[in-house]
Amino acid sequence: QSVLTQPPSASGTPGQKVIISCSGSSSNIEPNPINWFQQVPGTAPKLLIYNINLRPSGVPDRFSGSKSGTSASLAISGLQSEDEGQYYCASWDDSLDAWVFGGGTKLTVL
Amino acid sequence: QVQLVESGGGVVQPGRSLRVSCAASGFTFNKYGMHWVRQAPGKGLEWVAFISNDGNNKYYGDSVEGRFTISRDNSKNTLYLQMNSLTTEDTAVYFCAKSSFMILVTHDAFDDWGHGTLVTVSS
Repeated sequence: QSVLTQPPSASGTPGQKVIISCSGSSSNIEPNPINWFQQVPGTAPKLLIYNINLRPSGVPDRFSGSKSGTSASLAISGLQSEDEGQYYCASWDDSLDAWVFGGGTKLTVL
Repeated sequence: QVQLVESGGGVVQPGRSLRVSCAASGFTFNKYGMHWVRQAPGKGLEWVAFISNDGNNKYYGDSVEGRFTISRDNSKNTLYLQMNSLTTEDTAVYFCAKSSFMILVTHDAFDDWGHGTLVTVSS
């Protein structure tokens, strides 16, 4: 069981907006920044969002992040077929003294 | 561009040891901390360990503490993970990931990843 909780699946049609949630606690998401990673099956994870809502160069502005209290969200607007994959949230946990990840959300573009 | 290439994975019996490596290029290796993250088959990501840029500070996840040792050779631009007393629970793809910082910080970004090396623990 993962320390951060994500829905196992999400879906949308091309052009739609999808939001993926990540629920944590007062020892991880609330006091610390959060990162989001995208993983296409069989490939390495790729940093999508860091420090809650910052994008590395090359990541389209269709991807955005937010945080409120012990929860965070990743929003993907203008959904495209190449957005299919697994999405993971991650944060430092002050109680565990460790990085913790969500269980992942499988995004399907219908 | 940043390139991280893991190697050394394979099949190993329970209780035995294995060392995996990560060869780095495209950045100044001795200026950045490095992570190991693993992914069991069909499962999510699990943080394993972190080492500071100079190798002096090391941190481990609870499930590997006391059994795994992270190290680096800055003269060879290579990161290592020595895994001892392996169990079937350690079966996973092991990824190395570059930190955005020299030392462990709570706002790190894991900004580049290798493609991983598969370690299978089986009798």
